Amino acid sequence: DGGITQSPKYLFRKEGQNVTLSCEQNLNHDAMYWYRQDPGQGLRLIYYSQIVNDFQKGDIAEGYSVSREKKESFPLTVTSAQKNPTAFYLCASSIGSRGSYEQYFGPGTRLTVT
Amino acid sequence: SQELEQSPQSLIVQEGKNLTINCTSSKTLYGLYWYKQKYGEGLIFLMMLQKGGEEKSHEKITAKLDEKKQQSSLHITASQPSHAGIYLCGATTGTYKYIFGTGTRLKVLA
Repeated sequence: DGGITQSPKYLFRKEGQNVTLSCEQNLNHDAMYWYRQDPGQGLRLIYYSQIVNDFQKGDIAEGYSVSREKKESFPLTVTSAQKNPTAFYLCASSIGSRGSYEQYFGPGTRLTVT
Repeated sequence: SQELEQSPQSLIVQEGKNLTINCTSSKTLYGLYWYKQKYGEGLIFLMMLQKGGEEKSHEKITAKLDEKKQQSSLHITASQPSHAGIYLCGATTGTYKYIFGTGTRLKVLA
């Protein structure tokens, strides 16, 4: 079955620690995205990648970093510089990044930082 | 500012009733997408609309895009408890960026 996997589903970290969220897709999609979802705010774009070895900042990239070394993988690191990291993180992919292509989402990772 | 406005924010209906959720943009949309999300889970893609006046149906859910491509509605006929969840509209405006509404939380009472 093709799809997007995110792991882990729940993640707990102490303040000041970096943490990496995994996102893998086997849909052969070129574009991948990371979103943050907070109550009442909808989805906000953190980073996106249109192709391997290339990625761009989204609307709220500060305190986050990504890599895209393989087409199927787009890990997100939440660094200690992120002031309010507790949130639900969603990874998505699409065939392309320009035009009308639906996005497919992973199941999400809920990160809690105390 | 929110680029996609969804209404209502929440909805409680009796099983068997029809309902409509709206999604409005101030800009012309390139593509309009409807997703369903259960709390704490990912988004499930429902439908995509691209052309002005387009209408699509899947089982008891119908989505329409107006002629100006600035407003979409999602209509559920004879709602069931399985329809409960959060419905989000998303859109592309011709660039890489997808924008999303804040969602409509639907509860269906059995």
